Amino acid sequence: EAGVAQSPRYKIIEKRQSVAFWCNPISGHATLYWYQQILGQGPKLLIQFQNNGVVDDSQLPKDRFSAERLKGVDSTLKIQPAKLEDSAVYLCASSSQGLRDNEQFFGPGTRLTVL
Amino acid sequence: AQSVAQPEDQVNVAEGNPLTVKCTYSVSGNPYLFWYVQYPNRGLQFLLKYITGDNLVKGSYGFEAEFNKSQTSFHLKKPSALVSDSALYFCAVRPQTGANNLFFGTGTRLTVIP
Repeated sequence: EAGVAQSPRYKIIEKRQSVAFWCNPISGHATLYWYQQILGQGPKLLIQFQNNGVVDDSQLPKDRFSAERLKGVDSTLKIQPAKLEDSAVYLCASSSQGLRDNEQFFGPGTRLTVL
Repeated sequence: AQSVAQPEDQVNVAEGNPLTVKCTYSVSGNPYLFWYVQYPNRGLQFLLKYITGDNLVKGSYGFEAEFNKSQTSFHLKKPSALVSDSALYFCAVRPQTGANNLFFGTGTRLTVIP
């Protein structure tokens, strides 16, 4: 079974530039999550999708971050414009049902460096 | 508010010795508890979870964890450590009701010394 795919793996940009990350979840998984993991910290949830609808985006800085999952499969997370403090690893995860006791399956992440 | 504490940033253990990685949590109501492991340049991998029932949960790669409600702890254990167990371990909690987020601790780096 293929795992969660993410691209790119690494990205370096200058502040005020834009960047986009892509995620393809495990086939058949209805729930998709985006996390931000700053160095030395645990992952923090940014947004949760159930199929193509947003379940929770309370932690997403909506003035600069946006995410979509138009067809209920793959998803894109965008930052525009980027700030220095956005430097982090962005993790995508998926789960089969989105139930609270479901384990989540994580992709390898995209490491973003903002200069 | 929900939170997870992993009091040790670093744990060193000799190969073959038992290992413990500590985790305590704070959550409104009953929790679902998880352990994940992160190897370099790879995403988090699920190890085990506590939902309900038996307080001792067994997971992947010989790991187990014990849920202790009175101490609000969910320590990860393994009877005999392997060098390949060296990695970053994260404890996470998700409330059964209310806030739907999965809250992670800050991680504990385990080093198994040959």
